[in-house]
Amino acid sequence: DTGVSQDPRHKITKRGQNVTFRCDPISEHNRLYWYRQTLGQGPEFLTYFQNEAQLEKSRLLSDRFSAERPKGSFSTLEIQRTEQGDSAMYLCASSLEASGSETQYFGPGTRLLVL
Amino acid sequence: AQSVTQLGSHVSVSEGALVLLRCNYSSSVPPYLFWYVQYPNQGLQLLLKYTTGATLVKGINGFEAEFKKSETSFHLTKPSAHMSDAAEYFCAVSLYSSASKIIFGSGTRLSIRP
Repeated sequence: DTGVSQDPRHKITKRGQNVTFRCDPISEHNRLYWYRQTLGQGPEFLTYFQNEAQLEKSRLLSDRFSAERPKGSFSTLEIQRTEQGDSAMYLCASSLEASGSETQYFGPGTRLLVL
Repeated sequence: AQSVTQLGSHVSVSEGALVLLRCNYSSSVPPYLFWYVQYPNQGLQLLLKYTTGATLVKGINGFEAEFKKSETSFHLTKPSAHMSDAAEYFCAVSLYSSASKIIFGSGTRLSIRP
């Protein structure tokens, strides 16, 4: 257990529905990242926050995806009008900004299945 | 642009044998390099990382990796495999100057034969 928690762990939804995932980082960590991992692939970067500011977004993050970190603590990732191609594991990670070797700690992930 | 190539999507070794998982990277600036392990239905756990300094990096569970700049490689080794080492292993790279995101390889699944 790294100290990063994600909820729910599993989500099954029908195409066209909206879903929201939550990530609680390690409490003192000011950076929070979202990644997506499809079957047989490594995680792909989606977006990251420093405190409450969203500093970088991947081109993978279409208009149907939105992420927030309103108070610089937990974060939510919402997918609107889900598509079957959104089926994946969504991973959250957090880190403490520091000079030198910054390490990202990953949560257990939320596995999404879109029917 | 940075990228990571893991040679071999599946590696199988006997218990007690040497484990060697290969990773080559591409980066235009000095990289941070990582190996993560993922057990079924779990998140990723950091095995080891290279930032600067000593090129031979020791990690958890008896794993180590050597940064070879001339070969742009960061291969992962363990002298003697254990059944509990069976998992998916990911090599990854991020920018030296900013660890804002990590670029992962496609992973190598390690199987251990009794």
